[in-house]
Amino acid sequence: DAGITQSPRYKITETGRQVTLMCHQTWSHSYMFWYRQDLGHGLRLIYYSAAADITDKGEVPDGYVVSRSKTENFPLTLESATRSQTSVYFCASSVGDRAGVNIQYFGAGTRLSVL
Amino acid sequence: GQQLNQSPQSMFIQEGEDVSMNCTSSSIFNTWLWYKQDPGEGPVLLIALYKAGELTSNGRLTAQFGITRKDSFLNISASIPSDVGIYFCALAGANSKLTFGKGITLSVRP
Repeated sequence: DAGITQSPRYKITETGRQVTLMCHQTWSHSYMFWYRQDLGHGLRLIYYSAAADITDKGEVPDGYVVSRSKTENFPLTLESATRSQTSVYFCASSVGDRAGVNIQYFGAGTRLSVL
Repeated sequence: GQQLNQSPQSMFIQEGEDVSMNCTSSSIFNTWLWYKQDPGEGPVLLIALYKAGELTSNGRLTAQFGITRKDSFLNISASIPSDVGIYFCALAGANSKLTFGKGITLSVRP
């Protein structure tokens, strides 16, 4: 199916475990993003990528690692999960519109609980 | 960093009513975006605004880019139950990044 897909949709893990959230897009968009959404904070940018092998930190990168070996995939890894990383995680990709503004398109999200 | 203010955090309206929400920024920007997030889903773009004073409609939704370029308004007319969700304003910045407001949760009573 075309679009942007995230997997898994739901994940429960334990403190200290490593967990990877997957994001796949079929549009060949160059930019991809990871956000976390928490009550009272809205959407906060964790990491973003301008192209394959190019990544950069966002607002809240600590405790997360990303990679982008292929344009279509942008996995997010929590190397040692903590309870404070319990959140809903969204992946997005973007493309320029008629005015050159990059509109972001979001996946359906992954709800992560760290026990 | 850039601050975007959306208030109130929640709004409760009756089905059929009109509702207006606004967003203000601490700086001047050239593009305003409005997204809606349905429960359990990711945000979806509703309207994009590119010019100060611009008024754009999308069905029952109308959004305006403020003359000062520091604010934007979103109006929903004749609300229906499927209008429930979180409404975010966003500003386009460098490197294709967006800065989002904290969102307004809209509830519609039947």
